[in-house]
Amino acid sequence: SAVISQKPSRDICQRGTSLTIQCQVDSQVTMMFWYRQQPGQSLTLIATANQGSEATYESGFVIDKFPISRPNLTFSTLTVSNMSPEDSSIYLCSVEDRGSITDTQYFGPGTRLTVL
Amino acid sequence: QQPVQSPQAVILREGEDAVINCSSSKALYSVHWYRQKHGEAPVFLMILLKGGEQKGHEKISASFNEKKQQSSLYLTASQLSYSGTYFCGTAIKAAGNKLTFGGGTRVLVKP
Repeated sequence: SAVISQKPSRDICQRGTSLTIQCQVDSQVTMMFWYRQQPGQSLTLIATANQGSEATYESGFVIDKFPISRPNLTFSTLTVSNMSPEDSSIYLCSVEDRGSITDTQYFGPGTRLTVL
Repeated sequence: QQPVQSPQAVILREGEDAVINCSSSKALYSVHWYRQKHGEAPVFLMILLKGGEQKGHEKISASFNEKKQQSSLYLTASQLSYSGTYFCGTAIKAAGNKLTFGGGTRVLVKP
């Protein structure tokens, strides 16, 4: 499976500021996904990022709040804009691994964000 | 639509068995099982595609019923390393490769 890294691993930010999270993969992948995991909760998909096209956002998430870039097949960024304490979560990127039969997703280590 | 996982939590002694269920109101394309330990990323365990399919990974196995609306994860002769939160992620054909995750099942294995 692909090796995925995220930067930063954690951060503490002030409300009203923005943070950009980077996701790097060691191989070319078509689809990358960004998830949010609030404390003690499940994984919620924010958006799907395909290279060369606009990200597709899930209900409840908007581009102005969570702009995403996907400049090539190994890299993506997620920005959390104008942060509030409610944005305190773990943000995870995942990549689709195209197997011989079907596809599954592998997750990066996550970015733990605390907003004060 | 989010799949329903049950139970929400289970406590086991080493060597005991447990079953975690994942149910959907609609027929699914696939079910993906993950385990997440505290402070770590979810780790992929296995994927089920076909109705009636059963699959194993060490002493952890899973099944997918014929109607493809329910999957079960079986923890057999549990070990301390099995502790963590288990999530099922489900895909429907119309949604492409997107996964919708259940609420999770917290498993604690005690010595």
